[in-house]
Amino acid sequence: KQEVTQIPAALSVPEGENLVLNCSFTDSAIYNLQWFRQDPGKGLTSLLLIQSSQREQTSGRLNASLDKSSGRSTLYIAASQPGDSATYLCAVKDSSYKLIFGSGTRLLVRP
Amino acid sequence: NAGVTQTPKFQVLKTGQSMTLQCAQDMNHEYMSWYRQDPGMGLRLIHYSVGAGITDQGEVPNGYNVSRSTTEDFPLRLLSAAPSQTSVYFCASSRRRTGIQGGANVLTFGAGSRLTVL
Repeated sequence: KQEVTQIPAALSVPEGENLVLNCSFTDSAIYNLQWFRQDPGKGLTSLLLIQSSQREQTSGRLNASLDKSSGRSTLYIAASQPGDSATYLCAVKDSSYKLIFGSGTRLLVRP
Repeated sequence: NAGVTQTPKFQVLKTGQSMTLQCAQDMNHEYMSWYRQDPGMGLRLIHYSVGAGITDQGEVPNGYNVSRSTTEDFPLRLLSAAPSQTSVYFCASSRRRTGIQGGANVLTFGAGSRLTVL
């Protein structure tokens, strides 16, 4: 059974710092991996999607990498801003088209 | 373009009552799904559908029913609500086939429905 783990559960950093969020999964037979952002009381917004054949994706200050063989993905946020404060979730799509989520990392960027 | 619309946003039920959470999308997405989100547990898949007339179970299907009579709608029914079903429910949809970054395969979520069962 696929399991997705995100470490740390919570993170507090000063504004301007570069940071890395981690996601690990137990079964490397994935279709793709997505990173989402969730603001309090809101739905999820897709940030980046990496297909199983890709190694990384970039969008603005965000860069996500994927290492299927080791079951890991990282989300790198450059020059963090208070507006980046949110919960970040990763999810893998398994071979049966089901999306399995991690429990998220709650990020606070302090001014 | 409304995206994924969920109703109601908030609902309070008594144990044993039934209700339906509505989900509609206007993007012609084949794939639709329901998740529940509980503190510290991430999102868990309840049921999903890969097209009209086709549904399947996710991780936590017990106590929930779904149907998919049209491409646009995917209602979630609680036949006899229990306190353990207190949660935030999210509906999500996407195109079924592989897409490029930012394209067809990205999952689009509704804003959520907060359900409390007393």
